[in-house]
Amino acid sequence: QSALTQPASVSGSPGQSITISCTGTSSDVGSYNLVSWYQQHPGKAPKLMIYEGSKRPSGVSNRFSGSKSGNTASLTISGLQAEDEADYYCCSYAGSSTLFGGGTKLTVL
Amino acid sequence: QLQLQESGPGLVKPSETLSLTCTVSGGSISSSSYYWGWIRQPPGKGLEWIGSIYYSGSTYYNPSLKSRVTISVDTSKNQFSLKLSSVTAADTAVYYCARAAAAGTGQISGMDVWGQGTTVTVSS
Repeated sequence: QSALTQPASVSGSPGQSITISCTGTSSDVGSYNLVSWYQQHPGKAPKLMIYEGSKRPSGVSNRFSGSKSGNTASLTISGLQAEDEADYYCCSYAGSSTLFGGGTKLTVL
Repeated sequence: QLQLQESGPGLVKPSETLSLTCTVSGGSISSSSYYWGWIRQPPGKGLEWIGSIYYSGSTYYNPSLKSRVTISVDTSKNQFSLKLSSVTAADTAVYYCARAAAAGTGQISGMDVWGQGTTVTVSS
């Protein structure tokens, strides 16, 4: 099983929207609606931002949204803020296993 | 509020067994709604799922680590544990424990509570 594929980095200016993609296969992302997204600031534990593809946990800003098309899941952050600068990881159930993406560093310009 | 705390040696010699424990406080590990998992992050790298366990003892492991990993649960102590055998320098990482919402048998919908992480270095 290979890690899910994410872009290494994305950037955007405050107020803009960005989208991070997460590409898997028909054995993981494409077969299950069980993609989750995590935000990680340096030296901190990851924080759940999206689960089951598009659901937001209580307390997570509605600026964060998730979607899926085929074997690719996406995380969109609208109205970028400086505090959104962090690493983002996607994660998917993969049939008795769980896979993470390689991570995407978001820079807020 | 549920909290998770990892504990164990910060230094392990090559070829030995890494052992960590995650103590759950503020809630019961015996909830039917959750799995309990281990995730690691090598220095400067991404997250890697190690495996998960249900309170009944059912386990699910990363295929690439399965031959070296054992995850167990002690409901009387509200703890679950990780053992990783025959460690090498490649196992040096921050190890996290986390609570994972169950979406079905072995299926995780999201890891919503994480420990702070513990750094384990493999070196002689």
